[in-house]
Amino acid sequence: QSALTQPPSASGSPGQSVTISCTGSSSDVGGYDYVSWYQQHPGKAPKLMIYEVSARPSGVPDRFSGSKSGNTASLTISGLQTEDEADYYCSSYVGSNNFVVFGGGTKLTVL
Amino acid sequence: QVQLQESGPGLVKPSQTLSLTCTVSGASISGGGYYWSWIRQHPGKGLEWIGYIYYNGNTYYNQSLKSRSTISLDRYKNQFSLNLTSVTAADTAVYYCVREKAIFGVATNCFDPWGQGTLVTVSS
Repeated sequence: QSALTQPPSASGSPGQSVTISCTGSSSDVGGYDYVSWYQQHPGKAPKLMIYEVSARPSGVPDRFSGSKSGNTASLTISGLQTEDEADYYCSSYVGSNNFVVFGGGTKLTVL
Repeated sequence: QVQLQESGPGLVKPSQTLSLTCTVSGASISGGGYYWSWIRQHPGKGLEWIGYIYYNGNTYYNQSLKSRSTISLDRYKNQFSLNLTSVTAADTAVYYCVREKAIFGVATNCFDPWGQGTLVTVSS
């Protein structure tokens, strides 16, 4: 099972919006609404930011939003803040023996 | 508040078995509604799902690691464990234990919370 495709980097200025894409196939992203996004700061464990494509866990700011179109999921962060600078990973359920696949990660820089 | 904590050797010799334990507090691993997972991250790289176990003992593994992986439950200690056999340097990684939400027994790819992670180095 191939990893989901994310851009290696993204950037934005404080207050701006940025969108990170996550492209898979009809066997994963396109076939199920079990897409999630994780934020990881250096040396820390990943943190769940979005699940089931667009749901936000309690405590995650509403500046973070998720969506999906076809085989591509997206994470949008509006009103960028310096603390948003981190690595972001998408993940999807896979309708085959592997069950779970992650994207390669996107390093977000807040300029 | 649910918390997970990994424990185990930080150094394993090549060809030996990597054994890690995850201690869960704030929730019962026998209570249903969740899968209990292992995910690893190679140094400077992305995340790789290893496998998970349901409260009833059913296990599911990444095909690429299935032949070497075993995940088990210890209900009395409220722990779950990972054994990875015949390790090589390619198994050097930070290993995380994580809870995954299930709906009617279906894993939903919603991993939360995560343990802090433990670095395992494979070297002689």
